[in-house]
Amino acid sequence: GQSLEQPSEVTAVEGAIVQINCTYQTSGFYGLSWYQQHDGGAPTFLSYNALDGLEETGRFSSFLSRSDSYGYLLLQELQMKDSASYFCAVRAATSGTYKYIFGTGTRLKVLA
Amino acid sequence: EAQVTQNPRYLITVTGKKLTVTCSQNMNHEYMSWYRQDPGLGLRQIYYSMNVEVTDKGDVPEGYKVSRKEKRNFPLILESPSPNQTSLYFCASSLKFNQPQHFGDGTRLSIL
Repeated sequence: GQSLEQPSEVTAVEGAIVQINCTYQTSGFYGLSWYQQHDGGAPTFLSYNALDGLEETGRFSSFLSRSDSYGYLLLQELQMKDSASYFCAVRAATSGTYKYIFGTGTRLKVLA
Repeated sequence: EAQVTQNPRYLITVTGKKLTVTCSQNMNHEYMSWYRQDPGLGLRQIYYSMNVEVTDKGDVPEGYKVSRKEKRNFPLILESPSPNQTSLYFCASSLKFNQPQHFGDGTRLSIL
């Protein structure tokens, strides 16, 4: 089957750096995305990796290693507003289907 | 303003009473999806549509129907709702399959 694994919860202090890992098992891998969701809100897109390597967008970076079926989201200079859930998601295109598979989410708590 | 609009935002109904959740986007996006979000399970794709008149099952399609008669609209239909369909539902759209998804604000359904 297709699945993604990520830690359920991570805690860090303001100003620190935190890394959220994601490992996946999918067929027809087409790219790894990251979404942020605040409590009571909708998911919002953060970053996307189709190829191996690091993508940087401001304080957020995302990394992908397709050979290891692994990626991570790196959040730097943590702020209180970064407290949210973070989801990795795989785009999977196989046998004429074009699906998204999401991980179960990592709840990030940022402490003052 | 570019947006994905879902209605209703909240609904409490009873088992067996047909309901439709509407989804509309104003960005001329081709790819649209429906997800359900349950605690501990992340987002699971119910159905998706690559374009007008092209729909396909996601990972949890049982008990749901969709249609895509116009590019902007992608309604989710529960013909005979049951309590196990009580959940938070999100509609999302993207320009193409390999582009970031924009999510609606969500619809919280309670089926008694």
